[in-house]
Amino acid sequence: GEDVEQSLFLSVREGDSSVINCTYTDSSSTYLYWYKQEPGAGLQLLTYIFSNMDMKQDQRLTVLLNKKDKHLSLRIADTQTGDSAIYFCAQAGGGADGLTFGKGTHLIIQP
Amino acid sequence: SAVISQKPSRDICQRGTSLTIQCQVDSQVTMMFWYRQQPGQSLTLIATANQGSEATYESGFVIDKFPISRPNLTFSTLTVSNMSPEDSSIYLCSVETGFNYGYTFGSGTRLTVV
Repeated sequence: GEDVEQSLFLSVREGDSSVINCTYTDSSSTYLYWYKQEPGAGLQLLTYIFSNMDMKQDQRLTVLLNKKDKHLSLRIADTQTGDSAIYFCAQAGGGADGLTFGKGTHLIIQP
Repeated sequence: SAVISQKPSRDICQRGTSLTIQCQVDSQVTMMFWYRQQPGQSLTLIATANQGSEATYESGFVIDKFPISRPNLTFSTLTVSNMSPEDSSIYLCSVETGFNYGYTFGSGTRLTVV
């Protein structure tokens, strides 16, 4: 079955880069997503990458996809206190299936 | 991207009762998805709802416990029936808005069963 794995916690110092990693099992995934969930809030789509891409950059966010290893990463440059949240990796195989989520990575920002 | 209005945002319910959660989308969408996020956990897909047909439930979820309605292309409801404390979770609806926008989520319903 489909499975998405993430480490549960990441602690970085303010101003440093954060790299959140994710592995997935469904090689037929067409899109892979990163969502952000702040305390008490809903899910915010941060970025996505299509399965035929290796990299996508969007301002402070860089997504890297290694399809061979089924590894996805999200790099946040110049991490700020406002980046403190849970980051979910998710994969989609097609419109009828919805999303399969990882357990989420708690990003903790140290001053 | 689509905007989803979900309500209620939170509720505290007595065990044995039922709660109906509503999601209204500002555009017509083919499929709507319902998820559950248990405390400290990830999101798990409950079911997929297409307009005009019965919802498709994921393993571990049944229609008697989580009946879903989808009367038109902009609206859906999820009912959590005969609730127990184990049903305390955040419930979220979602729609696919095309690859440029991914899947959009409602703000969630935080349910506490006492």
